[in-house]
Amino acid sequence: NAGVMQNPRHLVRRRGQEARLRCSPMKGHSHVYWYRQLPEEGLKFMVYLQKENIIDESGMPKERFSAEFPKEGPSILRIQQVVRGDSAAYFCASSLTRDPNTEAFFGQGTRLTVV
Amino acid sequence: GNSVTQMEGPVTLSEEAFLTINCTYTATGYPSLFWYVQYPGEGLQLLLKATKADDKGSNKGFEATYRKETTSFHLEKGSVQVSDSAVYFCALSDQNTNAGKSTFGDGTTLTVKP
Repeated sequence: NAGVMQNPRHLVRRRGQEARLRCSPMKGHSHVYWYRQLPEEGLKFMVYLQKENIIDESGMPKERFSAEFPKEGPSILRIQQVVRGDSAAYFCASSLTRDPNTEAFFGQGTRLTVV
Repeated sequence: GNSVTQMEGPVTLSEEAFLTINCTYTATGYPSLFWYVQYPGEGLQLLLKATKADDKGSNKGFEATYRKETTSFHLEKGSVQVSDSAVYFCALSDQNTNAGKSTFGDGTTLTVKP
């Protein structure tokens, strides 16, 4: 049973380009969460999606960032016109239910570097 | 809002030393509390959790007790190993949020020297 799969593991983009980060949740999980980890900091919640729906995007920057979780395929976090400050590790997690006592499983992250 | 405050690092210990990493929290209601571990270049792995007051979570020799009176969830291990070197995150999720929407502390880096 594969865990949460994120790709790519490392992504380098020039300022102004688009970054697309992919996350395949654990088998059977329909709840996906994206987090950002800036250097030397903890994880900050960005967005929570449940198949085809955005449930909570309270942590998403208002511009340039978007997320989707289509009926088929992985969840995508898209960052348009990247800037140096977007350089960070982006982690995806998935859970079986939305119950707060349910364990969320994390992927290995995508490390985005904007040059 | 919810918040988690962790002991600042880095922490450097010799092998077989006793470990304590302090964690205190602020939350409404009765949150669930977690410790995650992040090895270099890896994602987070759940280390242990406690879902109600006075519960003790334990795993791999680590343990933490949910103390509602002091709003704390300190991580302890009696004898650390070099392989325990990692970043440790304290986190909470409250009953008004969802499984994966947790509030994390900033992490504490532990280095264990042989």
